Amino acid sequence: DVKVTQSSRYLVKRTGEKVFLECVQDMDHENMFWYRQDPGLGLRLIYFSYDVKMKEKGDIPEGYSVSREKKERFSLILESASTNQTSMYLCASRAPGQYNEQFFGPGTRLTVL
Amino acid sequence: AQKITQTQPGMFVQEKEAVTLDCTYDTSDQSYGLFWYKQPSSGEMIFLIYQGSYDEQNATEGRYSLNFQKARKSANLVISASQLGDSAMYFCAMRELPNQAGTALIFGKGTTLSVSS
Repeated sequence: DVKVTQSSRYLVKRTGEKVFLECVQDMDHENMFWYRQDPGLGLRLIYFSYDVKMKEKGDIPEGYSVSREKKERFSLILESASTNQTSMYLCASRAPGQYNEQFFGPGTRLTVL
Repeated sequence: AQKITQTQPGMFVQEKEAVTLDCTYDTSDQSYGLFWYKQPSSGEMIFLIYQGSYDEQNATEGRYSLNFQKARKSANLVISASQLGDSAMYFCAMRELPNQAGTALIFGKGTTLSVSS
């Protein structure tokens, strides 16, 4: 079974802190994704990566950056956390191909005080 | 404009009844894929079912079926014989240009399903 893990389930940070959210997948998937989920807004794409060192902006990249130095690991970085970045963050991965679904990690609930 | 529209914020159903969760989508592409995911209160996203735009038959997976009406751009999820464990949030999602590397799923806002005994 595909496994996508995220470094923390719950995280509390202070405004202005630099925050790293880590995601690791064990199925050698090329594609990895970061979403944030907010009530009433569904899942919105922040960034995705289709290969090592490659990244593409999603719908809401402002205030975020990403890093993909190894195929299995995709990091989301909040350079200077703000209260409006309090959210659930979901990482996903998938193999290329039309029919392949995205496999999700358990999510990180980030609170910025 | 929204790419994926789920108009039902909440749905309520009795055990053993069937329920339909609505999803309409907007795309100008001829080739695309439609997905449904379930998210229980524990938070994990569980893949349920997939329909390709060129698939002639409606997709089915156990108690889940997808009522695909291409001309209407709708992809409704039908759950037959609801169970208490079906209580969750359900998301409809689409991938455009599915042959393009790295294309992400676009999600709707979700529908919360509550199943009562």
